[in-house]
Amino acid sequence: TQLLEQSPQFLSIQEGENLTVYCNSSSVFSSLQWYRQEPGEGPVLLVTVVTGGEVKKLKRLTFQFGDARKDSSLHITAAQPGDTGLYLCAGEYGQNFVFGPGTRLSVLP
Amino acid sequence: DAGITQSPRHKVTETGTPVTLRCHQTENHRYMYWYRQDPGHGLRLIHYSYGVKDTDKGEVSDGYSVSRSKTEDFLLTLESATSSQTSVYFCAISNQETQYFGPGTRLLVL
Repeated sequence: TQLLEQSPQFLSIQEGENLTVYCNSSSVFSSLQWYRQEPGEGPVLLVTVVTGGEVKKLKRLTFQFGDARKDSSLHITAAQPGDTGLYLCAGEYGQNFVFGPGTRLSVLP
Repeated sequence: DAGITQSPRHKVTETGTPVTLRCHQTENHRYMYWYRQDPGHGLRLIHYSYGVKDTDKGEVSDGYSVSRSKTEDFLLTLESATSSQTSVYFCAISNQETQYFGPGTRLLVL
């Protein structure tokens, strides 16, 4: 059974601070996705990483896929209140996806 | 945004009644999924489909059935709703590497 763990579970920071959240597994995934979900809405895709060691940047967000394709990190630079939300990672295996429990981020102005 | 709609968006029902949730896509994606999301459990896969009339069970399929008679529609049925099925249900579609989610259906079983 594929399992994904995310840490921390909760994170509350001040506007302008940097942060990193982690997604870890003992399983190898063919790709990994990061989503952000806001209350009352469905998850919205941020990025898909496919290659071990891959780094992708999306404005102030930097995503890294581990060399062994078992883990990933999301780094946010100079966090803003608009970054507040639930961040989910999901690993692809076959044609299915397994989700981590999420990191709930709150950025205070 | 991927063209995915879910209906109804909210529903309140009583224990023992049948309930059907609908997911409709305009993207012509082959794969469709139903998840439920509950506090402390994250998103858990109920059933998925890999083509018309081709479906399979996910992690939490007990008490649920699905049907896919057309590429664009994926139905989730609770044959006899129970209070433990109170949840938020999300449909998703996939183009192989990535899933796109619908807006969700909030179901309350009294």
